[in-house]
Amino acid sequence: QVELVESGGNLVTPGGSLRLSCAASGFTFSDYYMTWIRQAPGKGLEWVSSISGNGNTIYYADSVKGRFTISRDNVKNSLYLQMNSLGAEDAAVYYCVRKLAAAGNYHFDYWGQGALVTVSS
Amino acid sequence: DIQMTQSPSTLSASVGDRVTITCRASQSISSWLAWYQQKPGKAPKLLIYKASSLEGGVPSRFSGSASGTEFTLTISSLQPDDFGSYYCLQYSTNPYIFGQGTKLEIK
Repeated sequence: QVELVESGGNLVTPGGSLRLSCAASGFTFSDYYMTWIRQAPGKGLEWVSSISGNGNTIYYADSVKGRFTISRDNVKNSLYLQMNSLGAEDAAVYYCVRKLAAAGNYHFDYWGQGALVTVSS
Repeated sequence: DIQMTQSPSTLSASVGDRVTITCRASQSISSWLAWYQQKPGKAPKLLIYKASSLEGGVPSRFSGSASGTEFTLTISSLQPDDFGSYYCLQYSTNPYIFGQGTKLEIK
């Protein structure tokens, strides 16, 4: 079965950096777009970034462009999010999410359990 | 960017009630809309994709429909397990945008 497990969430000081990882299993990782979606405490969902199966196509939300970098390792079946210049507005649970991209289906289907990022001095 | 306006923001209903949640897109998104349910402390769960396709394993009391840029999630007969928050998502174009969410409480 599909499993997505995030790690790397932590407390970081404003202006600091953090790298999130997501270990994928149960499907052919390189066949799928992967995405990070975040949710600030008590707030709604916000799409952050997506990367194509081969890593050649990448999209970012304006709120993180220039500060966050999404990447993947298809040998290790892993997705990453490098987050720099973190501010209070980046504090959230970050979800690793699989995105379908074939046969007329392009939605997000499987979600990980989330990694908590806290930004505080 | 496409904007998604979801209503209502909160909803209180009784077991057995028919419940409707609406999302309106600021421009055409064809049928590229999904609905998710989220329980407290848990990841969202896919209910509906392509506006009206039911995800496997989701109870048939959930349904989705579309009329132009207005999309509706309907729960035909509310069950106690249906409490939580519901979000629509447009995935027609980047950036992908979620609705603001609807918190559904069971009376």
